[in-house]
Amino acid sequence: SYVLTQPPSVPVAPGKTARITCGGDNIGSKSVHWYQQRPGQAPVLVIYFDRDRPAGIPERFSGSNSGSTATLTISRVEAGDEADYYCQVWDSTGDHVVFGGGTKLTVL
Amino acid sequence: QMQLQESGPRLVKPSETLSLTCTVSGGSISSSRYFWDFIRQPPGKGLEWIASVYYIGKTYYSPSLQSRVTIAVDTSKNDFSLKLRSVTAADTAVYYCGRREGDYNGSWYSLWGQGTLVTVAS
Repeated sequence: SYVLTQPPSVPVAPGKTARITCGGDNIGSKSVHWYQQRPGQAPVLVIYFDRDRPAGIPERFSGSNSGSTATLTISRVEAGDEADYYCQVWDSTGDHVVFGGGTKLTVL
Repeated sequence: QMQLQESGPRLVKPSETLSLTCTVSGGSISSSRYFWDFIRQPPGKGLEWIASVYYIGKTYYSPSLQSRVTIAVDTSKNDFSLKLRSVTAADTAVYYCGRREGDYNGSWYSLWGQGTLVTVAS
């Protein structure tokens, strides 16, 4: 079945740019979605269809997807961005939802 | 504003069946726009998709769980349900229900329930 690979952790200083990757076989041919999950809370959608932002999500959050890697970029990182981030696709080959293993964003 | 709420026993004994219901409020489960899913998250671990159901009853299952899982929709009650059989401690997790929307090119979770911790223990 389809596998999505994320780095376990990404450290970033406040005000800098964080990039969280999501690797998968020819992932550029799929639509990738990203979720933010703070401790003890349900996930929240931050990017859908590779690069679209739901209402209420700051413009600091952006996404891209090409080749074998999708990327969530968070600009001007704030302390409140510290959370776990998950990528997700729909695998139409097997009719399955697939999540990446998650990345913990640590604001230094 | 549509909302999702999970309900069911918080403690299940090993080898028994875990049963959860997700009640949809503020909208109809019979909308052709949405799929209705269960996702779980073991303590300290990542998200795992379990199963999905469409309002007409079509179902999709995780390959790793499909032998033990049944998902069903009840349009008269505006809810959907999950049964996970022969549970072990490895099934201890926060169980979420989610509303998934999109098309065949891609679909995402636009709404989540708050989640409920289900513990498997004797």
